[in-house]
Amino acid sequence: GQQVMQIPQYQHVQEGEDFTTYCNSSTTLSNIQWYKQRPGGHPVFLIQLVKSGEVKKQKRLTFQFGEAKKNSSLHITATQTTDVGTYFCAGPLMRSGGSNYKLTFGKGTLLTVNP
Amino acid sequence: GAGVSQSPRYKVAKRGQDVALRCDPISGHVSLFWYQQALGQGPEFLTYFQNEAQLDKSGLPSDRFFAERPEGSVSTLKIQRTQQEDSAVYLCASSLAPTSQPQHFGDGTRLSIL
Repeated sequence: GQQVMQIPQYQHVQEGEDFTTYCNSSTTLSNIQWYKQRPGGHPVFLIQLVKSGEVKKQKRLTFQFGEAKKNSSLHITATQTTDVGTYFCAGPLMRSGGSNYKLTFGKGTLLTVNP
Repeated sequence: GAGVSQSPRYKVAKRGQDVALRCDPISGHVSLFWYQQALGQGPEFLTYFQNEAQLDKSGLPSDRFFAERPEGSVSTLKIQRTQQEDSAVYLCASSLAPTSQPQHFGDGTRLSIL
């Protein structure tokens, strides 16, 4: 079954509003990666978080990795039309004999921004 | 080239035909991945190569799916006797190191089975 879940599935905002997407894994992740996929495009790497409780910022984007390394969030401040796309979290599931190369992706959150 | 290149971009085939999808990874990238992405879903892992060795093929849906990377560079994903449920976007990604590193994706091949 679904091992990495993301909510919400869709989010529509007015330009300038904030946006947050949440990622939850049923299994501890060795790290969490975030990707952005524009409509008709391919996933593009945004960031990787490795440490428990880690917070990283990229301009208007703030990424967090939970203390238990099972959840993560992406927050965008003051959205712009260029932020439109689907945001995926992905990570290698830590389990006995598990690999650290095999990414399990969430279903993604589709963000649309009304100008 | 600067990025991962996939061909063809679009492929339409009749049910029962065989198809071959090509991936040219970033030069020097050790790791190569194939994913299947259905509409509205995240990419799902199919198989992983480290250089020419296929280390993990646990995601291949059936024995109709076959992938190779004979010289550790270009890779081909082959699907035999295609079925309608094979319709999806097939993404290739490469990364510099064997471990979990940022993956660079190609534009994908959109496969439609009629």
